[in-house]
Amino acid sequence: DAGVTQSPTHLIKTRGQQVTLRCSPISGHKSVSWYQQVLGQGPQFIFQYYEKEERGRGNFPDRFSARQFPNYSSELNVNALLLGDSALYLCASSYWDGGTEAFFGQGTRLTVV
Amino acid sequence: DAKTTQPPSMDCAEGRAANLPCNHSTISGNEYVYWYRQIHSQGPQYIIHGLKNNETNEMASLIITEDRKSSTLILPHATLRDTAVYYCIVRPSSNYQLIWGAGTKLIIKP
Repeated sequence: DAGVTQSPTHLIKTRGQQVTLRCSPISGHKSVSWYQQVLGQGPQFIFQYYEKEERGRGNFPDRFSARQFPNYSSELNVNALLLGDSALYLCASSYWDGGTEAFFGQGTRLTVV
Repeated sequence: DAKTTQPPSMDCAEGRAANLPCNHSTISGNEYVYWYRQIHSQGPQYIIHGLKNNETNEMASLIITEDRKSSTLILPHATLRDTAVYYCIVRPSSNYQLIWGAGTKLIIKP
C-alpha cells in the first residue's frame, strides 16, 4: 500500500512568491495535518483537516492556508514568502481526527532565497 | 509549548537495550503518550503509543508510570539503524494536533 505522498520533494522560491505544497494521504485516511519543521527543531503544527473541514490551526500567520479535497488530498499554500519560511513541510494522515496514530510523508523541503 | 521533557542526547551500545525517558507531569486523563522518531530529516516514523498500560509492539516497549507523569521507551536490542531523534508527545484523544518538543538524539555506537 502507498504511504503518504508529498510533492514536490524539494522547492526553491524567491522572497515574496507564493508556493503550493501537495499531500496525498494513505487510502482510507480522512484526516490530514500539516507541520513545519525548521532545521534543528521539532515539527510545529500548522493545520488539521478532517472530512474537508478545518479542525485546528496552529500559531501561524494568515499567509498560510490550506484545504482538503473530496478525495481527502490536501494542499498547503503560503503567500508572500519570507526567508524564515524555509523549512521541511510535513504532511500526516490518519483515519480520523483523533485516530490512534498518524503516518507522515517524507516532506517537502522549501528553500526561500 | 511542549508538554514533555526529554534529555537532549543519549548514547547506547549496539545490541544493548536503549531506554529513553520522558517526563509529562501535567498530562491529563484523556491524553495519550506517543513516541515518534525521525532519522536524518526524513518524515517522522510512528513507534508506539499508550494511555495507562504498558505497551509492546515489534519495534519497542512503552512503560508508563502508575501516576502517568513519566514514561520510558525501550528499544530492546539497539542497532546502528536506530540512531535518530526520538520524540515523546502527549496528545489529547479528541484531535491529532501534535505539540513536539526538541526530542532526544539517540546515538547507537558499535
